[in-house]
Amino acid sequence: AQSVSQHNHHVILSEAASLELGCNYSYGGTVNLFWYVQYPGQHLQLLLKYFSGDPLVKGIKGFEAEFIKSKFSFNLRKPSVQWSDTAEYFCAVNARTGRRALTFGSGTRLQVQP
Amino acid sequence: DAEITQSPRHKITETGRQVTLACHQTWNHNNMFWYRQDLGHGLRLIHYSYGVQDTNKGEVSDGYSVSRSNTEDLPLTLESAASSQTSVYFCASSENLAGGGTDTQYFGPGTRLTVL
Repeated sequence: AQSVSQHNHHVILSEAASLELGCNYSYGGTVNLFWYVQYPGQHLQLLLKYFSGDPLVKGIKGFEAEFIKSKFSFNLRKPSVQWSDTAEYFCAVNARTGRRALTFGSGTRLQVQP
Repeated sequence: DAEITQSPRHKITETGRQVTLACHQTWNHNNMFWYRQDLGHGLRLIHYSYGVQDTNKGEVSDGYSVSRSNTEDLPLTLESAASSQTSVYFCASSENLAGGGTDTQYFGPGTRLTVL
C-alpha cells in the first residue's frame, strides 16, 4: 500500500519569502506524483505533476517540485510567495500500474502574511 | 467547457437517514472517484469506478455505496448516516490510461455534509 507524508502541517511566511514544502512517499513500485492546492472555500486544483522525464517539474503560479527517487521525495518550492498563495497544499501519489486512485498526504496549511 | 459538478453543496441530515450525494462530469472520463476530507487526514478514498457497471471499495468504504449506470454520473449513498460521516466529500474523474489519458484527476467543488 502507498502512503504519503507531509512534514509541515502549518507554515506561516511573510510575502517574498521562499517556500519549500516537504513530501515523502512510501511505495515499492513506480509512481506518478502530484501537488494539489485548495484555496479557501474552493475545490482542489492541480499545481503540477510528475510522470516521467526531467525530475524538476514546473507548475502554475511559479511553483516547481523536484522528484528525488533515492529519497522518495517530491518537495514543492516557490522562490517568492505572495499573499494569494495562502491555501492548503496536498501531495498525492498513485501507482503507475493498477489502481488509479490517489493517496494523499494530510496537507500543509500555508499562511502568507502581507 | 467540460466540468465536474456536485450536488447538493451543503446538506444537513439526521442520524439514520439515507443520503445520496450526486456527482456529474462532462469530461467523458471513464474513471471516477469519491474522497472524503477531514482535518488532519487529507483526502481518503471511499469508492471508485473504472467504467459503467464497475465499482470498487476504497480505504474508508464502510457505510457508503456507489453505482455507475452511465459514464457521467457516480452517486454516493450513505445507507444510514452516522455522525462520523460528517465531512466534506469530493468527487473526481480522470481519463482512461488505455485511451492515452494523463492520469490527472479533476475535482468537483465538494459537498459539505453534516450529520446531526
